[in-house]
Amino acid sequence: NAGVMQNPRHLVRRRGQEARLRCSPVKGHSHVYWYRQLPEEGLKFMVYLQKENIIDESGMPKERFSAEFPKEGPSILRIQQVVRGDSAAYFCASSEGTGGYEQYFGPGTRLTVT
Amino acid sequence: KNEVEQSPQNLTAQEGEFITINCSYSVGISALHWLQQHPGGGIVSLFMLSSGKKKHGRLIATINIQEKHSSLHITASHPRDSAVYICAVRSYGGATNKLIFGTGTLLAVQP
Repeated sequence: NAGVMQNPRHLVRRRGQEARLRCSPVKGHSHVYWYRQLPEEGLKFMVYLQKENIIDESGMPKERFSAEFPKEGPSILRIQQVVRGDSAAYFCASSEGTGGYEQYFGPGTRLTVT
Repeated sequence: KNEVEQSPQNLTAQEGEFITINCSYSVGISALHWLQQHPGGGIVSLFMLSSGKKKHGRLIATINIQEKHSSLHITASHPRDSAVYICAVRSYGGATNKLIFGTGTLLAVQP
C-alpha cells in the first residue's frame, strides 16, 4: 500500500539550472497539492491540481514556476532558472477527493541551489 | 497577523509529562489537521478534525469551532515524541482544498 512518493529526495542545482520535482500520489488519488517549506519558515501552499487541470495556483510565484499533473504519470513541479532563494523542502500531498478527504503527504524533496 | 497561530513555539518536557499544544485560527474552516514532522523528515498526518475530539494511542486532539481553537495533547510523553507539531486548517468553501499552516511547535522530550 504505497503512499505518496516523491523523487528525488535531494536535489542540488546550480543557479540558472532547471529543477524538476516529481510526485506520485497514492494509488487512486486524483488530487495533488504542492507545498513549500523555506528554511526556518512554515509550510506554504503553492498549487492544487486535479488530473490534467490546475485548480488553484494562488501560491505559485508568477515566474519560473509551473506545475502539471498529466493523465498518465506523476505530477511535476518545474522550477526554471533556479536562484538561491528557491532552496527549500517541497512537499507533495494527495487526496482521494475534495471536501472532507484527508491529505497524505510525501517525504519531500529537498532542493539546494548553489 | 497569521491566520493560524500556535503556542508555544518551543516546548521542552520531561519524559512522562502531559503535553498540550494550542492552535487558534481566524478563518472559517471545514477541517483542521494536526501534523508531525521530525527534523529533516517527512510530514505525517496525526488527525483531521471538524468537530469534537479524536484519540489515537497517547495522542488526543480537540477542537472548539465556536472559539476557533484546537489543542493537541500527548499523554505520558516519550523522547520519540520529539518533533515539530504543525496545525493546519482547510478554509471553508471555494474550489480549493489548500491548507493554511501554523508555524509549528518544536517539542523536545528529555529522558
